[in-house]
Amino acid sequence: SQQGEEDPQALSIQEGENATMNCSYKTSINNLQWYRQNSGRGLVHLILIRSNEREKHSGRLRVTLDTSKKSSSLLITASRAADTASYFCATDNGAGGTSYGKLTFGQGTILTVHP
Amino acid sequence: DAGITQSPRYKITETGRQVTLMCHQTWSHSYMFWYRQDLGHGLRLIYYSAAADITDKGEVSDGYVVSRSKTENFPLTLESATRSQTSVYFCASSAPGGNSYNSPLHFGNGTRLTVT
Repeated sequence: SQQGEEDPQALSIQEGENATMNCSYKTSINNLQWYRQNSGRGLVHLILIRSNEREKHSGRLRVTLDTSKKSSSLLITASRAADTASYFCATDNGAGGTSYGKLTFGQGTILTVHP
Repeated sequence: DAGITQSPRYKITETGRQVTLMCHQTWSHSYMFWYRQDLGHGLRLIYYSAAADITDKGEVSDGYVVSRSKTENFPLTLESATRSQTSVYFCASSAPGGNSYNSPLHFGNGTRLTVT
């Protein structure tokens, strides 16, 4: 079953615009992570936000987490053509120990940034 | 170079054959994972391992076998390949530090497997 569900499925914008992607999940989490995947490559970790955090920044990325609504958003500011990729949210709702890292991924948002 | 490597990059096999996908990491990360990626399903966990000789099933483990005799290697075997196992397979590793389990996964570039 999919824990994270992302919206929109696809997003097309012009360079310089902001891109916002949303993720909803169903059960309690330890943390929520965002990953990027370029075509034909593996996933690359972008940012991790813990369940007791509400907002986190990394360069042009801003992630928010609302545990009461079980939702998160990823904002990419001043987008560039190089940001074109698929973006996935993933939730870690394990109990730690040997259950650590069993991430549940959403189906992703395909972002296209036009030059 | 340090990192996580998967081999082969592409593989075509026939239904019923056994095939092994290799994964090697140079970081000495304790945790390793196998995911498969399919259109419409995102990434789904097949198996994971917390350390050498410790493995456990994920969401879609039927038809797969893993082993982890050494920390750096985590091969995935399809015992008798089926067409439904046509997919892109990703290996990942991670190393939680101290009492924190909040560490990201590092992914390989995947193996694209086609079962005919």
